[in-house]
Amino acid sequence: AQSVSQHNHHVILSEAASLELGCNYSYGGTVNLFWYVQYPGQHLQLLLKYFSGDPLVKGIKGFEAEFIKSKFSFNLRKPSVQWSDTAEYFCAVNARGDKIIFGKGTRLHILP
Amino acid sequence: GAGVSQSPSNKVTEKGKDVELRCDPISGHTALYWYRQSLGQGLEFLIYFQGNSAPDKSGLPSDRFSAERTGGSVSTLTIQRTQQEDSAVYLCASSSQQGTEAFFGQGTRLTVV
Repeated sequence: AQSVSQHNHHVILSEAASLELGCNYSYGGTVNLFWYVQYPGQHLQLLLKYFSGDPLVKGIKGFEAEFIKSKFSFNLRKPSVQWSDTAEYFCAVNARGDKIIFGKGTRLHILP
Repeated sequence: GAGVSQSPSNKVTEKGKDVELRCDPISGHTALYWYRQSLGQGLEFLIYFQGNSAPDKSGLPSDRFSAERTGGSVSTLTIQRTQQEDSAVYLCASSSQQGTEAFFGQGTRLTVV
C-alpha cells in the first residue's frame, strides 16, 4: 500500500525567504502526486498536481514541485514566500485507480 | 452542485450516541472519499467509493464506523456509540474519475462530550 511522508511538521519563515517542503512516497508503480493547501478557516484546495510528462510542475500562487522518480520525492518549492502563504500544506499520492493518501501535513507560518 | 456540500457543519453529541454525517458530492463525480482530520494526524483516510465497485473500507478505524453511498451520489458516514476520541473534522471529497484530483467540502466538526 502506498504511504506519504512529509519531513517538516512546522516551518517558520520570514517574508521573502525561499521555501522547500519535503515529501516522499512509497509505492513502486505509476502514481499521481498532489500538493493541497488549507488556509486558516478554509477548505482544502489543490495547489498543483503531477500525472505525467514534465516532472517540474507549476501551480497557483508561484508554487512549483519537482517529481524525482528515483528518489520517490515530490518536494514543494517557492522562491519567495509571502505572509499570505501561512497555511497547512499536504502532500498526497495515489496509485492509478486507487484512493488518494495524504501525508500528515506541514504547518507553515510566515512572519511579516 | 457547485461544490462538495457537507452537513451539518458542526455537531456536538454525547458520548455513546450515534451520529450521521452527510456528503453531497459534485454532480457527476463517480469517486467519493471520507477522511478524518485531527490535530497532528493529517488527513486520515476512512473509506473510498468508486462507481459501482465495492467500497474500499480499509481506513475505517473500528466497526463503529460505516458509510454508504446511495444512488452513486449522496453519502452518509455513520458513527455508532461515539467516543471522545472520535472528535475531529470529517472531510468528504469527490473526483470525476479514478486518479484525478479530489475536491473537498468544508467538513463537519464533530465534538463528542
